[in-house]
Amino acid sequence: AQSVTQLGSHVSVSEGALVLLRCNYSSSVPPYLFWYVQYPNQGLQLLLKYTTGATLVKGINGFEAEFKKSETSFHLTKPSAHMSDAAEYFCAVSDGLRNTPLVFGKGTRLSVIA
Amino acid sequence: SQTIHQWPATLVQPVGSPLSLECTVEGTSNPNLYWYRQAAGRGLQLLFYSVGIGQISSEVPQNLSASRPQDRQFILSSKKLLLSDSGFYLCAWSDHVGTAIDEQYFGPGTRLTVT
Repeated sequence: AQSVTQLGSHVSVSEGALVLLRCNYSSSVPPYLFWYVQYPNQGLQLLLKYTTGATLVKGINGFEAEFKKSETSFHLTKPSAHMSDAAEYFCAVSDGLRNTPLVFGKGTRLSVIA
Repeated sequence: SQTIHQWPATLVQPVGSPLSLECTVEGTSNPNLYWYRQAAGRGLQLLFYSVGIGQISSEVPQNLSASRPQDRQFILSSKKLLLSDSGFYLCAWSDHVGTAIDEQYFGPGTRLTVT
């Protein structure tokens, strides 16, 4: 069974600083990996996903993530944080089988300090 | 394009009262449908998912139930609400056919407060 661990329930960065949100997964099969963002009182929005191919995935709003099989990681980064990036971020994993729900991490709340 | 609707957006209900939350999807056929709950500081909890009309899988046994009376309609219900049912309820859908990579699309959510 798949599982996802997000290290740090709350991360705080200064505006303009690097954003690094950590995600490690456990999967018995090649995983498909996702990052979602949730702004206050809204639903989740897909930031990016890894399926196959290039291990560095670029998403919306300047975010990117790198799939590292040897480290079972899929960390999310952004070179320069904006105030508008303040939100909750969820990492999720799929085993690629149809009709199987995604498995989500517990989320990381990102605060951006002016 | 596909859209997902949830209503109501907010709801305040007394303990012991019934609950009905509705989710509908437009622009797709035979989607997989999901209900999640977010309680404060507890992440996303999958409650139910459905791969077709009348097919419901329950992930968490509790006083909630789900039904799918139509292809693109998913309803979350309770006969008697508990204080612990308070939270943010999210509906989501994914493609049932085609790619095996089931990216999920989320609705705007319903904020439920049980008093």
